Amino acid sequence: ETGVTQSPTHLIKTRGQQVTLRCSSQSGHNTVSWYQQALGQGPQFIFQYYREEENGRGNFPPRFSGLQFPNYSSELNVNALELDDSALYLCASSLSPRGYQETQYFGPGTRLLVL
Amino acid sequence: EDQVTQSPEALRLQEGESSSLNCSYTVSGLRGLFWYRQDPGKGPEFLFTLYSAGEEKEKERLKATLTKKESFLHITAPKPEDSATYLCAVRGGSNYKLTFGKGTLLTVNP
Repeated sequence: ETGVTQSPTHLIKTRGQQVTLRCSSQSGHNTVSWYQQALGQGPQFIFQYYREEENGRGNFPPRFSGLQFPNYSSELNVNALELDDSALYLCASSLSPRGYQETQYFGPGTRLLVL
Repeated sequence: EDQVTQSPEALRLQEGESSSLNCSYTVSGLRGLFWYRQDPGKGPEFLFTLYSAGEEKEKERLKATLTKKESFLHITAPKPEDSATYLCAVRGGSNYKLTFGKGTLLTVNP
């Protein structure tokens, strides 16, 4: 069984640029959630995708957008990068968003630094 | 809105010195309380899910318990390799997201 994978592992960008982060979900999982984790903080929910549609969104501006593909992999896109976007971006996959017993399994994360 | 508060923020133990981490939560209709372990610069690693008050789960030196307002992660005779940040999260009501606390940084000295 393959776990959640993310790419790239590290990324350095300049303020105002755009970035795309990628995630492959665990085998058999059809739901992907994205979180942002600032240094010393717990992860903050960005959004969730289920069957290629956005299933819910946290308090993040529209310049944070995403996609889910038919194979359930996902992308997180961030436009007009700001210094405060520097963080660890985590992807988590789960079996279903509506199941009562749902556990989210996390990938290793992508460390983004905005200069 | 769901809220999670973890205490203490940091805990330093000697090897073999047992202790407990606390997670207090406010949620409308608990659908699950989750404990994760996170090593520096890595993604959270799933430990336990608890669903109802009175439930307990164990894994090696760790034991998680749940009441209607808080959860405890008990660490018995810890080893240096147990050093990590322990995160608590809740999923409530019809929510699809996890709400996390800030975590407890545990350091176990040999």
